[in-house]
Formats: sequence, C-alpha cells, structure tokens
Amino acid sequence: ETGVTQTPRHLVMGMTNKKSLKCEQHLGHNAMYWYKQSAKKPLELMFVYNFKEQTENNSVPSRFSPECPNSSHLFLHLHTLQPEDSALYLCASSQDRRTSGYNEQFFGPGTRLTVL
Amino acid sequence: AQTVTQSQPEMSVQEAETVTLSCTYDTSESNYYLFWYKQPPSRQMILVIRQEAYKQQNATENRFSVNFQKAAKSFSLKISDSQLGDTAMYFCAFMFRAGSYQLTFGKGTKLSVIP
Repeated sequence: ETGVTQTPRHLVMGMTNKKSLKCEQHLGHNAMYWYKQSAKKPLELMFVYNFKEQTENNSVPSRFSPECPNSSHLFLHLHTLQPEDSALYLCASSQDRRTSGYNEQFFGPGTRLTVL
Repeated sequence: AQTVTQSQPEMSVQEAETVTLSCTYDTSESNYYLFWYKQPPSRQMILVIRQEAYKQQNATENRFSVNFQKAAKSFSLKISDSQLGDTAMYFCAFMFRAGSYQLTFGKGTKLSVIP
C-alpha cells in the first residue's frame, strides 16, 4: 500500500449503530487530519493530530470521536449519528507543522458514509 | 475568518482547448498559501498547484498555471490543452503561511472536458 488509505470505502449505518472509520498513511508523516465533505458545501476540517496529540477540534459534535494510536493510523469512531452526518469523510496526512514553512497534505480516497 | 469563493459551480471545455477557473478569497493576512486541488471521480484529492502569497511570480506546473492578483484577492487556474483526464471537481483553498494546519476550501467547480 502506498500513500493514504481509508477503509471502508462505503458505509451505511443506522442512527443507533456504532462504527469506526480507519485511515492509514505510508508516507512517514507525523500529522493527520479528518475532513468532512458534504454535497454543495466546502470541505470542513474536523480534527488534527500532530505526533499523536490532538491539536485542533473544530467544534465537532461528540458523536464523532477521533483516535490516533500512532503517527501512521487515525480512526474516527461514530455513534448515534444523524442523517445530516451523511457525507464523504476524508483523511489526510502531512509532515508536522513544528518546522516553519509549508507541508503538503496528502489525501486518502475517503469513506462515503450514509446514515439512515 | 477566511473565506474562499468559487463562483462557477460547473464548467465545460472542449478537449485541447483552454479553460480558466475563478477563485476569490478574503483575508486580512499578508502571508499565506493558495492552492488548487483536483478531485476526480475516484475521490482522491490531489494537489494541482500552489502559490505563496509573498511571491509575485505566478506558479506554473506543466499545463496548469495561475493568475494571482494579491490586491484583488483573486487566484484563477488556467488549464491549457485540456485532456479528458482533467474532468474533475476543482477546489481552491487557502492556508496561513505559519502557525495553522487549517486549509479553507471553496465549494468547488465541476469541470467536464468534452471529447
């Protein structure tokens, strides 16, 4: 596997279910991100992890729970979601931002989530 | 807060022709980066081109070039010799130069290249 991978690619769940999205990066990066992409809306940054520590949480509801056990893996745990949470969830990674300058974010193919 | 506006929800272009996608942004900062990302039907977001705001020279990557007008806060993407593989959603995005991880995206422009 190369780059950033995400599983599953598609997920359908009921509002009472608990599921998890997985992201893995094979690029040796130290920062990982979750984005939400809804139809006709700009991508929204949800969470940022740098060296396994959460550095940003953009007012995301608690029904979304991220986990970053190491710099290569990122999870998004889902529980009691709402139909409006249906979206494409994208994971990205980059070198850490403690050094100055720009570090390109590399994206995975996303998980298409449908909440019934 | 920063905002990024893409005023063209959809565009089409004939194969081998040139097309320009528009983007405007709003910020009070002077040091930042601007990007164009491509998202094909496979959904994988790919960086097309990057511009650093302190550089006056417009960025170019093969068939892709930008027209960066800092005073006007405009950042358009020109695709020359359009190819069928250019069919995708194109997103304009903004990032502070330092101290932030956050990419602010526009809503995107759906580009269709017609054979």
